[in-house]
Amino acid sequence: GDSVTQMEGPVTLSEEAFLTINCTYTATGYPSLFWYVQYPGEGLQLLLKATKADDKGSNKGFEATYRKETTSFHLEKGSVQVSDSAVYFCALLGGSEKLVFGKGTKLTVNP
Amino acid sequence: EAGVAQSPRYKIIEKRQSVAFWCNPISGHATLYWYQQILGQGPKLLIQFQNNGVVDDSQLPKDRFSAERLKGVDSTLKIQPAKLEDSAVYLCASSPRGAGGNNEQFFGPGTRLTVL
Repeated sequence: GDSVTQMEGPVTLSEEAFLTINCTYTATGYPSLFWYVQYPGEGLQLLLKATKADDKGSNKGFEATYRKETTSFHLEKGSVQVSDSAVYFCALLGGSEKLVFGKGTKLTVNP
Repeated sequence: EAGVAQSPRYKIIEKRQSVAFWCNPISGHATLYWYQQILGQGPKLLIQFQNNGVVDDSQLPKDRFSAERLKGVDSTLKIQPAKLEDSAVYLCASSPRGAGGNNEQFFGPGTRLTVL
């Protein structure tokens, strides 16, 4: 079945550092790919998405590119802020039409 | 626009007791989802409604979990009787139509259940 594997956390960075959170997936066909963010005490929010190969999703300085050849959708940000501290989830929507999530990566950014 | 509302935010119960969670989706959203998020894991879909009909409940433990969306608007998820392993955050989400790739799901804040 469909599955998502993302980088184990937690990740701790200093403000203005570069962020990469790796995400790879297994799915039949051509899934849509998503990154969700969960701030402390809040629900999941869609951060960005890509619906086909080579698409780049971007929002709030975060980017991820749908790489079909490597089945990856890594999340990147050039300069993180303290306010980016949250849990980040990679997810896919495949042929089953169910969102399948990774386990989440907790990011802490220190001033 | 008001978001997805859930209540209660927190619930602590003893094992074998019953519990119910409530969700009010975004107005006009036809599809409603209930997810279970166990600590350290990603959310797992329990049940999906399209209006007041069940689209997918393949991962719902039907011996103890039940859910309804009688008027196609708000929904209730019930656990009876609860087990220790049901301790989790229960998330409700809604989307305008079906779960197609261009239909964003909007999540509520969740209900954190602790079973002692």
